[in-house]
Amino acid sequence: SAVISQKPSRDICQRGTSLTIQCQVDSQVTMMFWYRQQPGQSLTLIATANQGSEATYESGFVIDKFPISRPNLTFSTLTVSNMSPEDSSIYLCSGTGPLGETQYFGPGTRLLVL
Amino acid sequence: DAKTTQPPSMDCAEGRAANLPCNHSTISGNEYVYWYRQIHSQGPQYIIHGLKNNETNEMASLIITEDRKSSTLILPHATLRDTAVYYCIVRVAHFGNEKLTFGTGTRLTIIP
Repeated sequence: SAVISQKPSRDICQRGTSLTIQCQVDSQVTMMFWYRQQPGQSLTLIATANQGSEATYESGFVIDKFPISRPNLTFSTLTVSNMSPEDSSIYLCSGTGPLGETQYFGPGTRLLVL
Repeated sequence: DAKTTQPPSMDCAEGRAANLPCNHSTISGNEYVYWYRQIHSQGPQYIIHGLKNNETNEMASLIITEDRKSSTLILPHATLRDTAVYYCIVRVAHFGNEKLTFGTGTRLTIIP
């Protein structure tokens, strides 16, 4: 199984600012994803992070708000841009193993926007 | 991916078997049933998955009905650490379709 770490684990930010979250996997994964979990809610997929190319966003999420990079097979970043209090959520990254059957999740980044 | 229906919450006594049901009546022939759980303040954790045969691993057993329209996750000897939200997800398991669609899940509380 893959071990996934995220930095920072939590942050408190002012509205209008941006935060970049890092996701590091200890072994190569085929696919990487970013999810959002709003307070008391289930997880919602933001986008698929594609290595060396633009991410694939789900409906309701746009690149200008959530730019994503994936320079190699084990690292990805998600930026939450021009934040508002509605962006207060847990942001999680995940990766799939070489067979694509199971997905492993990071511990999440807890973001509070004031 | 097919939609799933789970009870919003369940209680189980510590040491007893926890049986978590999931309905997926619109499941397609090539869709697998996956179970994940999310312990408070952690990322989701993969538990088990199966296509049509019953599956067992070190964490749990998965029982899928013959018509595949429902399944049950069994935690044989529940402990307090099994308190979590359990998600049943159906998806096609092949490259290019690894996205997971999470429903609301079942909040399982293990009672001492």
